[in-house]
Amino acid sequence: AQKVTQAQTEISVVEKEDVTLDCVYETRDTTYYLFWYKQPPSGELVFLIRRNSFDEQNEISGRYSWNFQKSTSSFNFTITASQVVDSAVYFCALSEAKSGANNLFFGTGTRLTVIP
Amino acid sequence: KAGVTQTPRYLIKTRGQQVTLSCSPISGHRSVSWYQQTPGQGLQFLFEYFSETQRNKGNFPGRFSGRQFSNSRSEMNVSTLELGDSALYLCASSLDRAKNIQYFGAGTRLSVL
Repeated sequence: AQKVTQAQTEISVVEKEDVTLDCVYETRDTTYYLFWYKQPPSGELVFLIRRNSFDEQNEISGRYSWNFQKSTSSFNFTITASQVVDSAVYFCALSEAKSGANNLFFGTGTRLTVIP
Repeated sequence: KAGVTQTPRYLIKTRGQQVTLSCSPISGHRSVSWYQQTPGQGLQFLFEYFSETQRNKGNFPGRFSGRQFSNSRSEMNVSTLELGDSALYLCASSLDRAKNIQYFGAGTRLSVL
């Protein structure tokens, strides 16, 4: 069965600090996709990144970076020099080719608060 | 390009009633998925529609149904509402089933009294 675990329920950091959000996943499928979404107070889920199971390259986009490690089934997300606008709930999600690539299984989310 | 549009944004219904929510995907997107978000259960997949056909379904009772029209717009219907159906219902669209980056709308917040 598939599962996504975000053990950090809430994190508070002071502006300009770096913060890492953890994500651990479980799947028996060999072809799967991992995602991060941001949910600001407005409620809309904002897509941040997608990785497929065959691409373990880490990625950097501005202040955001992602570390995908199949050996530990983790897909962690780091925000460098955090800003108040980064305050939101962040969701890690998994989809499997076998059960439907558009069927996302979400973790419970990590609420990030950046204190000015 | 306009994003995913969901209407209405807010709804208040009473137990036993039925409700229909609407979703207009991003222009050119043919796959539409629906999710329910509650504080207790988190984000859960309801179903996916592509080419007017339901392609995938989550673990929800038959009171939850949907459909997709030829222009890819989608509706979901919940019959015989229960208090536990109070939730934020999110619609997401993607280009197709293979290009599975889903873009979400702002959601419809349903309150059942």
